[in-house]
Amino acid sequence: AQTVTQSQPEMSVQEAETVTLSCTYDTSESDYYLFWYKQPPSRQMILVIRQEAYKQQNATENRFSVNFQKAAKSFSLKISDSQLGDAAMYFCAYRSKQGGSEKLVFGKGTKLTVNP
Amino acid sequence: NAGVTQTPKFQVLKTGQSMTLQCAQDMNHNSMYWYRQDPGMGLRLIYYSASEGTTDKGEVPNGYNVSRLNKREFSLRLESAAPSQTSVYFCASMYGTHIYGYTFGSGTRLTVV
Repeated sequence: AQTVTQSQPEMSVQEAETVTLSCTYDTSESDYYLFWYKQPPSRQMILVIRQEAYKQQNATENRFSVNFQKAAKSFSLKISDSQLGDAAMYFCAYRSKQGGSEKLVFGKGTKLTVNP
Repeated sequence: NAGVTQTPKFQVLKTGQSMTLQCAQDMNHNSMYWYRQDPGMGLRLIYYSASEGTTDKGEVPNGYNVSRLNKREFSLRLESAAPSQTSVYFCASMYGTHIYGYTFGSGTRLTVV
């Protein structure tokens, strides 16, 4: 079974600085999806960024980018120019591409604090 | 607006009481999911339904039952609530193997006293 590990329970960053959240995963599959979700205090789960494993190019979405290292099974999230609104729980998630296995496996999350 | 609707948003139960959490999506998604979120544990899958008429156990199914009433609705039932079931519950849906992943409901905060 696949597992997802987020080794940093909490992180903090100064406003306008850059922060990187770590995520590693374990799988024997060669093709899959990876996601980062943001959960602000409102509790809503918001998709931040996604990556298909067969694509070597790292995904980017505005100030959010990933460093996908397939061989190392690492999928870190970089937030540039951090803003107060970035404060939230961040969850890394894995999804198999195999039929019938569409469920997401989540890490335990990293709580990000942004200091003014 | 299209999305996943969960009811209720908050609920307090006494130990031994039963209740059903409701979830409905209007995006014609095939797959639906129930997760629970506990501090320090992330989101753990309780049950899921890959298509109408099918349901399967996830990581933590004990104490729960589900019903996929039709393509739109997927309910989660606690037959005899226990304090260990105090949690935030999320419903989610997804269209097949779409790259965009899940669409989540806004969650239900359940407290069992």
